[in-house]
Amino acid sequence: GAGVSQTPSNKVTEKGKYVELRCDPISGHTALYWYRQSLGQGPEFLIYFQGTGAADDSGLPNDRFFAVRPEGSVSTLKIQRTERGDSAVYLCASSDGPPGERNNEQFFGPGTRLTVL
Amino acid sequence: ELKVEQNPLFLSMQEGKNYTIYCNYSTTSDRLYWYRQDPGKSLESLFVLLSNGAVKQEGRLMASLDTKARLSTLHITAAVHDLSATYFCAVDLFYSGGGADGLTFGKGTHLIIQP
Repeated sequence: GAGVSQTPSNKVTEKGKYVELRCDPISGHTALYWYRQSLGQGPEFLIYFQGTGAADDSGLPNDRFFAVRPEGSVSTLKIQRTERGDSAVYLCASSDGPPGERNNEQFFGPGTRLTVL
Repeated sequence: ELKVEQNPLFLSMQEGKNYTIYCNYSTTSDRLYWYRQDPGKSLESLFVLLSNGAVKQEGRLMASLDTKARLSTLHITAAVHDLSATYFCAVDLFYSGGGADGLTFGKGTHLIIQP
């Protein structure tokens, strides 16, 4: 079946602009995660959705970052007033169970490479 | 705060050799995952380790978990060029009752296998 998909694959924007990044999880997966990966680093957790609600947004770096998942499937990560330091690969992952399940194996999408000039 | 440390961070080895990548973490957890990432690609799940003493093998790769030592290893046997990639371990704290709901990743081990 289809895996996690993300669009766009690449996004170049100017400092101060607004961007939206989209994630389409594996069909039927209730849990959705956003991570950010900087060059040479491991992914860093941003936010987790269980269904439509953001169950944990403790990883969002500041209030310029926001994410939604209105129908419990597709999610959009929104970044306001982008800064050069926001440049990174934004990864989305989904899982078929919440973190409390014994196996929380997450399946990752191809990522969106964001470049802020 | 959970810290996940991998070593080495860079490894160049010859085909046919054996080597081990180490993943240490700072807080009690019995759920650990290994992922592979090729350049410019996303993360591919390799192993899911869910208990102390868990051992999983797939081809030339074998992963183990020692929750008492807070240590996981990824062992490579008779390496081949196709295994060249960056390998990440990731720890899940939720089941241990603490931390964010997401995974905490190490910095990754960049592995180059030369013919």
